[in-house]
Amino acid sequence: GIQVEQSPPDLILQEGANSTLRCNFSDSVNNLQWFHQNPWGQLINLFYIPSGTKQNGRLSATTVATERYSLLYISSSQTTDSGVYFCAVLMYSGGGADGLTFGKGTHLIIQP
Amino acid sequence: DGGITQSPKYLFRKEGQNVTLSCEQNLNHDAMYWYRQDPGQGLRLIYYSQIVNDFQKGDIAEGYSVSREKKESFPLTVTSAQKNPTAFYLCASSHERRYGYTFGSGTRLTVV
Repeated sequence: GIQVEQSPPDLILQEGANSTLRCNFSDSVNNLQWFHQNPWGQLINLFYIPSGTKQNGRLSATTVATERYSLLYISSSQTTDSGVYFCAVLMYSGGGADGLTFGKGTHLIIQP
Repeated sequence: DGGITQSPKYLFRKEGQNVTLSCEQNLNHDAMYWYRQDPGQGLRLIYYSQIVNDFQKGDIAEGYSVSREKKESFPLTVTSAQKNPTAFYLCASSHERRYGYTFGSGTRLTVV
């Protein structure tokens, strides 16, 4: 199956800093999503981005499908950005779709 | 408000017992998924269902069972055959392949 590697595994930043999280995947995909898991375990979908670039406020994401990687940018970090960020991918072809395959995540801590 | 409701939030199971985790969605999504998360790890797919009365095994289905009798509901049973069931269980749904996933708030299962 598809392998998903996220880097860095841990990141500690001061409030106001910018950060870039990376997701590499081992095969072609036609579904790629970024999620944020808060300290209580809730997963929130940030982006559905199998290719191209999207922005939502201080967050943006870019996926270069031909080179099999995606980047999540967080600007002007706030303490509420703390948590674990997951990248998840899927390649489906006809028939039913399998579920997403998740990376192990980047644990981000924003210090005040 | 539309969303996914998982219950209970916390569940304790004795050795040898079967327990059932509830997952209900009012998003009118066709597909539903069950994931397991262990501490410091990403999510692993247990079962998924694309339509009513049909479901498929994921990567770690052994010791689990599901049903999909209604579009809104996708309960997961953790059987006594699951040797290490202590984990955080997350249910998700999606409308179609090209859309993102919505997750419930999770159930923490502990064996006592």
